[in-house]
Amino acid sequence: ETGVTQSPTHLIKTRGQQVTLRCSSQSGHNTVSWYQQALGQGPQFIFQYYREEENGRGNFPPRFSGLQFPNYSSELNVNALELDDSALYLCASSSPGALQETQYFGPGTRLLVL
Amino acid sequence: AQKITQTQPGMFVQEKEAVTLDCTYDTSDPSYGLFWYKQPSSGEMIFLIYQGSYDQQNATEGRYSLNFQKARKSANLVISASQLGDSAMYFCAISGTASKLTFGTGTRLQVTL
Repeated sequence: ETGVTQSPTHLIKTRGQQVTLRCSSQSGHNTVSWYQQALGQGPQFIFQYYREEENGRGNFPPRFSGLQFPNYSSELNVNALELDDSALYLCASSSPGALQETQYFGPGTRLLVL
Repeated sequence: AQKITQTQPGMFVQEKEAVTLDCTYDTSDPSYGLFWYKQPSSGEMIFLIYQGSYDQQNATEGRYSLNFQKARKSANLVISASQLGDSAMYFCAISGTASKLTFGTGTRLQVTL
């Protein structure tokens, strides 16, 4: 069984640029959630995708957008990067009906915005 | 809205001893799930244990057990026989009718010799 994978592992961007982060879900999982974890804090929910549709969104501006593909992999896109976007971005996959949708996380992408 | 409170920013425990990490929660959802995750310095969130709000018995997974007290809205994690590899950040989280997870601020556990 393949776990959740994310790419890239690290990324450095400058303010105003755009970034795309990628996530492959665990086999058998059709739901992907994205979280932002700033230094010293707990992860904050960005949004969730289920069967290629957005299925819930946290308190993040529209410049945070996403996609889910037919193979259930997902992308997180952030436009007009700000310094405060520097964080660890975590992707999690889950399967409805299994242990109340326990979410299994990938290793994360560390984004630094200069 | 849901909220998780972890009041212990840091904890020390000696190897082979047991340790309890505190978690209290608040939710208006009639049905919810409580989770504990471990985050080593590498960053990956590792699922440890789950407790459903209607489960009659406390959850256990190997050396991890969850002390669930619904009336007090607490879901403390107990790690028995601590090992050096248990040193990490530990996060309590809750999910409800919306399947998103709401996390606490975490507790940093340091296991000493």
